[in-house]
Order: sequence, then structure tokens, then C-alpha cells
Amino acid sequence: DAKTTQPPSMDCAEGRAANLPCNHSTISGNEYVYWYRQIHSQGPQYIIHGLKNNETNEMASLIITEDRKSSTLILPHATLRDTAVYYCIVRSGNTDKLIFGTGTRLQVFP
Amino acid sequence: DAGVIQSPRHEVTEMGQEVTLRCKPISGHNSLFWYRQTMMRGLELLIYFNNNVPIDDSGMPEDRFSAKMPNASFSTLKIQPSEPRDSAVYFCASSSRTGGDEKLFFGSGTQLSVL
Repeated sequence: DAKTTQPPSMDCAEGRAANLPCNHSTISGNEYVYWYRQIHSQGPQYIIHGLKNNETNEMASLIITEDRKSSTLILPHATLRDTAVYYCIVRSGNTDKLIFGTGTRLQVFP
Repeated sequence: DAGVIQSPRHEVTEMGQEVTLRCKPISGHNSLFWYRQTMMRGLELLIYFNNNVPIDDSGMPEDRFSAKMPNASFSTLKIQPSEPRDSAVYFCASSSRTGGDEKLFFGSGTQLSVL
């Protein structure tokens, strides 16, 4: 699976949009981009995923560049409860394995 | 749906003892994963099953670790004998394999402390 690169930490003011970047320059055509988050002491939680097109759900939006070498997870109105580690993962559609990296620790402050 | 259920939530044991962690996946899911999380190594995939069959156990650290899935609604991860370096949070996750873009649902984890 392609490796991903994320900043180790980010801050965001409550109520503002949080934009979390992810680089995956070696991504292949059949590999999906997934985002999960882990709130302290809980199991990881699925947020969103995409292949080529931008995606939006009730939690977040995922913007994938046209060349698919990078993506951005957008939390439109961050709350204190969004403080967590956010993992960007690239996974082939041919495998079930989901390999987590080190993620980005997002701190939302009042 | 109750989600993925893991037991126990916390386990404290002494070195050399056998430890068994349990997982009940979401009903209807046909893939099950065991992960381990430590500060040093992050989230590591240990093993996963499809339709109760182990597919990839390359992440299992050594022979002291074993995992079984006797049926679609139950899996165990056993450590025998346990060692202090096995102390970690162990997560179980399940998914419904429907075509390549499925999402994993995680349990709350088992906090294991080996003294």
C-alpha cells in the first residue's frame, strides 16, 4: 500500500474549519484514501473515504487532488469534541488490510 | 446495533500467565481484524480473518500469540505465556467485505497490563 505523510500536529479554533492535509504521492489507480480518527482511549472511528472524486458526509469533506497525490480532510466547524488523532490511510481495493501510520494530532481550542 | 464488543475492558495479569481476549463482531460482517496499540509502535495489525478463515497473520509478533475464529460471531486472541512487553491496548474491528471500499468498525479495546 502507498505510504502517507501527515503533519504530526495541528491546532484549530473552535467553530473554524479544520483542514488536515495528507500526501500520498505513490498512490496507485485502485487505491482508496481513507480517514479515521481516534479520540483518546477509544477505538478508531471511520470518517470518510474516496477514490477519485471529492466526498462529503455528515462528519467531514474529503478533497482529493486531480492527480490523487494528496488529499485534505475538512471539518467545517470544529468543536472541542473533534480533538483527536486523525489518520490518513491509502488502501488497495484488492486487500482488506488497513495499515495505520502516525496520524495528525488535532487540538481544537476554545 | 451494539457495535463490536470486546471483553474484558481491562486485564491485569502476571508474567507467564495465559491471557485470552474476546471479540464479538457486528452481525453480518464477514471480516475481523485484531490490532495492538502502544505508544512506541502505534496501531499494528496483528491478524485478520475473512469468513472465519485467517488470511494474514504476518503481524502476529511471535508464537506466543494465537487467534481463532470458530464462528462468524466470535473470535479470541490468546497470549501464552504473557510477558510485560505485551502490555498494550488490543482492538478488534469488523467489516462487511462488499467490493473493496468497506469501512472498519472498531471495538472499545482491551487494556492489557502484564506485570
